Amino acid sequence: QKEVEQDPGPLSVPEGAIVSLNCTYSNSAFQYFMWYRQYSRKGPELLMYTYSSGNKEDGRFTAQVDKSSKYISLFIRDSQPSDSATYLCAMGPGGGNKLTFGTGTQLKVEL
Amino acid sequence: GAVVSQHPSWVICKSGTSVKIECRSLDFQATTMFWYRQFPKQSLMLMATSNEGSKATYEQGVEKDKFLINHASLTLSTLTVTSAHPEDSSFYICSARDSRGLGQETQYFGPGTRLLVL
Repeated sequence: QKEVEQDPGPLSVPEGAIVSLNCTYSNSAFQYFMWYRQYSRKGPELLMYTYSSGNKEDGRFTAQVDKSSKYISLFIRDSQPSDSATYLCAMGPGGGNKLTFGTGTQLKVEL
Repeated sequence: GAVVSQHPSWVICKSGTSVKIECRSLDFQATTMFWYRQFPKQSLMLMATSNEGSKATYEQGVEKDKFLINHASLTLSTLTVTSAHPEDSSFYICSARDSRGLGQETQYFGPGTRLLVL
């Protein structure tokens, strides 16, 4: 069993839809959670960073963490074609230790 | 803020040659940098963790003599692929950990270097 599980997709939604992306994890030591967006042939771009259970909102993006269920989500409201990319979840125990990444979910927002 | 650059962005070389890739944190100091490899439509594979002024820590299965890492300053780490072969062709991405404040657990990625070995 992988430490971090993420559905690879592809996930295809119409423009304007609310997108829900999820990751589950098994390591209870993980305390810091991140979401990255990666366009084709580019490096990942940090979208959200959280370290506590609950919701964190930034524009059209909301990150949700449920440590009791070991489940994190990223919601994208009013999705746009420019949101089409691969979304990677990442998490770590802190203390400067390495992050563990999900495999990424490929999202396509269609006109 | 938190910008990481990589150079070159792509390189084509002949089998047997060595290739050096630079990773720079432009607006912050990075005591720790990471090197990843990514194959098409696959996730990031951590190769090694590079700490300024000390030897890199390599992940299991990564040949340290093949992939030489140097982190000589707080803003620069280099990865040298020695005696490159076609199977080393891949997308190499570096990241830098921002040790400031709450961001100390986050990693900021460079744009990546595409290596093609003929």
